[in-house]
Amino acid sequence: DAEITQSPRHKITETGRQVTLACHQTWNHNNMFWYRQDLGHGLRLIHYSYGVQDTNKGEVSDGYSVSRSNTEDLPLTLESAASSQTSVYFCASSDHDRPHEQYFGPGTRLTVT
Amino acid sequence: DAKTTQPPSMDCAEGRAANLPCNHSTISGNEYVYWYRQIHSQGPQYIIHGLKNNETNEMASLIITEDRKSSTLILPHATLRDTAVYYCIVRAPNSGGSNYKLTFGKGTLLTVNP
Repeated sequence: DAEITQSPRHKITETGRQVTLACHQTWNHNNMFWYRQDLGHGLRLIHYSYGVQDTNKGEVSDGYSVSRSNTEDLPLTLESAASSQTSVYFCASSDHDRPHEQYFGPGTRLTVT
Repeated sequence: DAKTTQPPSMDCAEGRAANLPCNHSTISGNEYVYWYRQIHSQGPQYIIHGLKNNETNEMASLIITEDRKSSTLILPHATLRDTAVYYCIVRAPNSGGSNYKLTFGKGTLLTVNP
C-alpha cells in the first residue's frame, strides 16, 4: 500500500546544530508540504513543492529550507536549530488534481535544547 | 477562504451515529467543504469532501445544505477509535496561484464514550 513516512519520529538536538527531517511518499504525488504544529497556533505551512526542482516558502519559512530532487522525497532542513523550532513537524502530499486531499505522515517531534 | 464555525466539543456513545456540524455561511460557489480529523499524537487524516451534493465513502457521509451555508459530517457507527479533533475546511480547488495550504481551525473534539 502507498504511504507517507517521516524519520526520525523523535529528535533532540542542540541550539545551533543543523537538522534534517526526512519525508518519503510512495503515492507518486506531485505536491508535498511541510507543516509545524504548536499549541495555540494550529498547523502552519513551512514550505511546499509542486514537483521536482520546485520549492516555495510558506508562512513560517525563516530558518528552514527544502529541496526536491525526486518525486518521493522532500527533506526539511533546519539550518541552525533554535529553541523556537521545538515543535511537531508533519509532512503531507497530494495529487496535482486533488491538491486539498492531503495525506499526512505520522509526524516528527523535534526538541531543541 | 470562507470562515468556518464548529462547536468546540461533542460526545457520542459508542455504536451510535456521530453528527458533527459546521457553519460556513460565507462560502463561495466554487469552494469545496473538506473534513479532516486528528487523532491524538497522529497526523491529520483526510476524511471526505464535497461541493454541493451529499457524499459518502467508507469512513463517513457528508451532508451539505441546499444553500451550502452549513454541512454535517456523519460517522454512522462511532467507535472509540473515532475519538479525535474533527476539522471542517473550506477551500477552492485551485486558488488562483496561491498555495494549497490547509488552514485548520480549532475543530470539534469528538469524544466517543463506551
